[in-house]
Amino acid sequence: AQSVSQHNHHVILSEAASLELGCNYSYGGTVNLFWYVQYPGQHLQLLLKYFSGDPLVKGIKGFEAEFIKSKFSFNLRKPSVQWSDTAEYFCAVNDYKLSFGAGTTVTVRA
Amino acid sequence: DARVTQTPRHKVTEMGQEVTMRCQPILGHNTVFWYRQTMMQGLELLAYFRNRAPLDDSGMPKDRFSAEMPDATLATLKIQPSEPRDSAVYFCASGSMSSYNSPLHFGNGTRLTVT
Repeated sequence: AQSVSQHNHHVILSEAASLELGCNYSYGGTVNLFWYVQYPGQHLQLLLKYFSGDPLVKGIKGFEAEFIKSKFSFNLRKPSVQWSDTAEYFCAVNDYKLSFGAGTTVTVRA
Repeated sequence: DARVTQTPRHKVTEMGQEVTMRCQPILGHNTVFWYRQTMMQGLELLAYFRNRAPLDDSGMPKDRFSAEMPDATLATLKIQPSEPRDSAVYFCASGSMSSYNSPLHFGNGTRLTVT
């Protein structure tokens, strides 16, 4: 079974700063990778997903992620964050079930 | 816009009482997951169903938790008897995972408080 490791527990940054959240997964063959976002008090929503093809994946709200197979990584990026990006972000890997990382809380200061 | 519906949204109960949480997956989805979210443990997978059959409930305390899908439109998670450590937000998610690459759609969760 896959396992997922997220590097940062809590990230605090100012509006317009760039964001990068690290995610590593354990090797287990073909991987399907996801980033989900959970805004305060809400349920999880899909940001983006990678199955195959172009390793640079673009999602909603200006987010993108890069799959680097050699590093078993799927890092999430956004060039310029907004206050509304304050949320918890989860990396997830799917073999037969969706396994989530511990999550990274992102706080964007206005 | 199809959604996963969970009821109740909030539940406060006393220790020892039975708690039943319900989930209506998106019509046509053949997989249902139950997750528990706490500050300390993050998101934990409790149970996983495909085509109404339980495939994995290894994350669920068997002595007090049970999960069922009586039909394709209803999944239930029951705790009997409940304990304060069960206080958490319980999320149901559904998907169409014939090839494991479809994303899950999450419900709004049931916030359970056991006093």
